[in-house]
Amino acid sequence: DTAVSQTPKYLVTQMGNDKSIKCEQNLGHDTMYWYKQDSKKFLKIMFSYNNKELIINETVPNRFSPKSPDKAHLNLHINSLELGDSAVYFCASSQDFSGNYEQYFGPGTRLTVT
Amino acid sequence: KQEVTQIPAALSVPEGENLVLNCSFTDSAIYNLQWFRQDPGKGLTSLLLIQSSQREQTSGRLNASLDKSSGRSTLYIAASQPGDSATYLCAVAIQGAQKLVFGQGTRLTINP
Repeated sequence: DTAVSQTPKYLVTQMGNDKSIKCEQNLGHDTMYWYKQDSKKFLKIMFSYNNKELIINETVPNRFSPKSPDKAHLNLHINSLELGDSAVYFCASSQDFSGNYEQYFGPGTRLTVT
Repeated sequence: KQEVTQIPAALSVPEGENLVLNCSFTDSAIYNLQWFRQDPGKGLTSLLLIQSSQREQTSGRLNASLDKSSGRSTLYIAASQPGDSATYLCAVAIQGAQKLVFGQGTRLTINP
């Protein structure tokens, strides 16, 4: 069983469209994250959620709206897509944010905006 | 602002060699440091987690050390194999481990 799963794996869309990426973890973790990996392979945190509550919003444009319907799911909705949004988006989870536990990553969603 | 640097950016060695990957960070106020590997087109696989109070962690042929005061960590890989070829990323947990700050990775190639 996949611990952290994301759908879709690939997403190609045009500028101006709205799209969503879904993430689910079956590890029973309390904390979930979204990261963005740009074309230079640099990984950067976007959001952190703990028990469905937003705890970190790393100066991400408000076109990006995360939603956590329950603590096993953290979805990412992006409005009015721009060329610069093209990247690989990774979801991750950890048992909590105490610092005592590893973060586990999903396989990534490669978003291409044309 | 925490910054994480990994040197070298790329490394190519023959199979069987022992090697060391380096990671440095600017602010010693970290909760933990985590080493990951990333295979092309894939997600990240956690290799080792070192708590801020620890000096090292070992898993199989991998050994990671942490020197918080000097802002450095090393990942030692013994008896390298072609299957070790990947990009290795280090990341430090800050702000109550609510986020990881990543280095840009070392792309490792092990030649048969």
